[in-house]
Amino acid sequence: GESVGLHLPTLSVQEGDNSIINCAYSNSASDYFIWYKQESGKGPQFIIDIRSNMDKRQGQRVTVLLNKTVKHLSLQIAATQPGDSAVYFCAENMGTGNQFYFGTGTSLTVIP
Amino acid sequence: DGGITQSPKYLFRKEGQNVTLSCEQNLNHDAMYWYRQDPGQGLRLIYYSQIVNDFQKGDIAEGYSVSREKKESFPLTVTSAQKNPTAFYLCASSKSQGAGSYNSPLHFGNGTRLTVT
Repeated sequence: GESVGLHLPTLSVQEGDNSIINCAYSNSASDYFIWYKQESGKGPQFIIDIRSNMDKRQGQRVTVLLNKTVKHLSLQIAATQPGDSAVYFCAENMGTGNQFYFGTGTSLTVIP
Repeated sequence: DGGITQSPKYLFRKEGQNVTLSCEQNLNHDAMYWYRQDPGQGLRLIYYSQIVNDFQKGDIAEGYSVSREKKESFPLTVTSAQKNPTAFYLCASSKSQGAGSYNSPLHFGNGTRLTVT
C-alpha cells in the first residue's frame, strides 16, 4: 500500500495558540484527502476533507492546505483548546474503490 | 442519531478460539470496512464491502473472515489462524461511489479492543 507519513509524532501547544500538523503523502495520483481526530479509546472523527482540485479549505477553526507539488498536506487549528488534545491522522485516497491509506498520526497536547 | 455501533467495547479470548466482532450502521451506507489499529501504526484495511453479499480482501485479510448478509451489518471473525490478533478493531462505513463520482469520507465506530492470551 501507499505510505502516508507525518513529520512530527508529537506536538505540544499552549492553549489559545494556533497548531499546525503536517502530513506527507507519497502517491501523486491521490485525489482526495481527509483529516481525522481520534481521542483515546474512541474511533476517528472526521474533521475536514479536501479534493485535489483545491489547495485550501476552511472549516470551523480548522484549515486544510494541500500542496500537490511537494505532496504535502497540513491541518491548521486556530485558537487551540484543551478539547483539541488528541491524535490527528491524515488519509489519502486514489479514487479507486474508496480505499484510504492512513498515516501513523500526530499526538497533539494542549497545555492550559 | 445515525451512526455506527461496534460491540463489545472490550473482548477477551483465549488463544486458539475464534471470535466475532459486531458492527451495525443505520446511516444507510452501502460500503462498510474493517480496519485494525496497532500502536505507532496507521489504520490497516482488513476487509471491505461495497454492497450486500459482496466483499473484498484488504491489505491484511489473512486470519480474518467477514460476511455481509444485510446492508446494516458487517461482522468480522478473527480466526485462530490470525497470528497476532490482539489489537484495536475499527469498523467504518461510507456512501457508495458510482462510476465517475467523488469519494466520500469514512464514518467510524468507537472500536472494539480485542485481547487474546
